[in-house]
Amino acid sequence: GAGVSQSPSNKVTEKGKDVELRCDPISGHTALYWYRQSLGQGLEFLIYFQGNSAPDKSGLPSDRFSAERTGGSVSTLTIQRTQQEDSAVYLCASSLGLARELFFGEGSRLTVL
Amino acid sequence: TQLLEQSPQFLSIQEGENLTVYCNSSSVFSSLQWYRQEPGEGPVLLVTVVTGGEVKKLKRLTFQFGDARKDSSLHITAAQPGDTGLYLCAGYRLSGAGSYQLTFGKGTKLSVIP
Repeated sequence: GAGVSQSPSNKVTEKGKDVELRCDPISGHTALYWYRQSLGQGLEFLIYFQGNSAPDKSGLPSDRFSAERTGGSVSTLTIQRTQQEDSAVYLCASSLGLARELFFGEGSRLTVL
Repeated sequence: TQLLEQSPQFLSIQEGENLTVYCNSSSVFSSLQWYRQEPGEGPVLLVTVVTGGEVKKLKRLTFQFGDARKDSSLHITAAQPGDTGLYLCAGYRLSGAGSYQLTFGKGTKLSVIP
């Protein structure tokens, strides 16, 4: 597809379970971002990948959160031992590089019961 | 504390009215972007402003970047129901980790009533 693709679009899980969220960026985009959006709120930065550079993980809220980007393309955000406060929409975006327009996916809505 | 403060948080107006949304910060940004988000979708870029004092027009939307590059405004003339959505400002700045982070405000939720 031409846009950023995220899966699953919806995920309901029980407290304490691990979840994986996947992002397939636009081909050729070197930068990839993960954001979290709680109901009615703005976007909270989580992590940023740029090319082969070390990722900027400064936004990850705890060590239960981790992300990787394989081969400079697909990225996976993993949340271990989920808590109810992790419930949110997780948005992925890609861009051609530094300080450029971000193209967002439709998000993965996570509900932790 | 929120790096980018947007006001108002909510705005409900009648079709045809004008409105202004503000985005303020105590920090300087290398550039600032405005996005619009509709329910169930990701944000979509409206404009990027780079130079202090810059004014950009996009049909009925006028964007201004403050002279000191710390604040911005979005003015909509003769609002239409299709303008309804969440308007987000976002600024690029160098983070402590040495990368350019795009930080978002909490957004202004606009409802335009026909």
